[in-house]
Amino acid sequence: GAGVSQSPRYKVAKRGQDVALRCDPISGHVSLFWYQQALGQGPEFLTYFQNEAQLDKSGLPSDRFFAERPEGSVSTLKIQRTQQEDSAVYLCASSLRAIYSSPLHFGNGTRLTVT
Amino acid sequence: EDKVVQSPLSLVVHEGDTVTLNCSYEVTNFRSLLWYKQEKKAPTFLFMLTSSGIEKKSGRLSSILDKKELFSILNITATQTGDSAVYLCARNNAGNMLTFGGGTRLMVKP
Repeated sequence: GAGVSQSPRYKVAKRGQDVALRCDPISGHVSLFWYQQALGQGPEFLTYFQNEAQLDKSGLPSDRFFAERPEGSVSTLKIQRTQQEDSAVYLCASSLRAIYSSPLHFGNGTRLTVT
Repeated sequence: EDKVVQSPLSLVVHEGDTVTLNCSYEVTNFRSLLWYKQEKKAPTFLFMLTSSGIEKKSGRLSSILDKKELFSILNITATQTGDSAVYLCARNNAGNMLTFGGGTRLMVKP
């Protein structure tokens, strides 16, 4: 079935390079979230979109991180001038509605390794 | 403070054992508490708990929420090797944003 799709599955970047991570949410899902999951830890919130509007970006760790969802469907998370501490799995999730009773569906994530 | 704490950090059991995973949180005004199972890929949804004292069941898994004592438990009976995973607990805040705990890593040996 059509779940949340993320690409690439793996990304290796040299320190200082820019990267772009893509998320295709489930069709028709209003809300889209990005989470960062370091090894052995739970996911941590980065940013949230409702349709094309970015309603919360309080979790973005620095101004090197930028996310967009220009047409309210596909989203891109961009990291500029990558640092080693950016190495993590980046998870995207979507939900049908922007209410608490609508469970989040996660993608398989992009594993970013910065060398 | 906005923390979700899970215990134990890891657990090793044998097939057929029963396990109880714990999740405690600190904020009282939240919408719901959720449990996810994470094998090597995407976290998959298990339960959403909104009301205190009402158990939710799905096969060998069950979960309950205690809003007074600010915790939830996830029980797995008659464990199988396929239950081996990281179990994540998350508090659902306004706007459907989740605050996750660090997870409990469960390993079920044959």
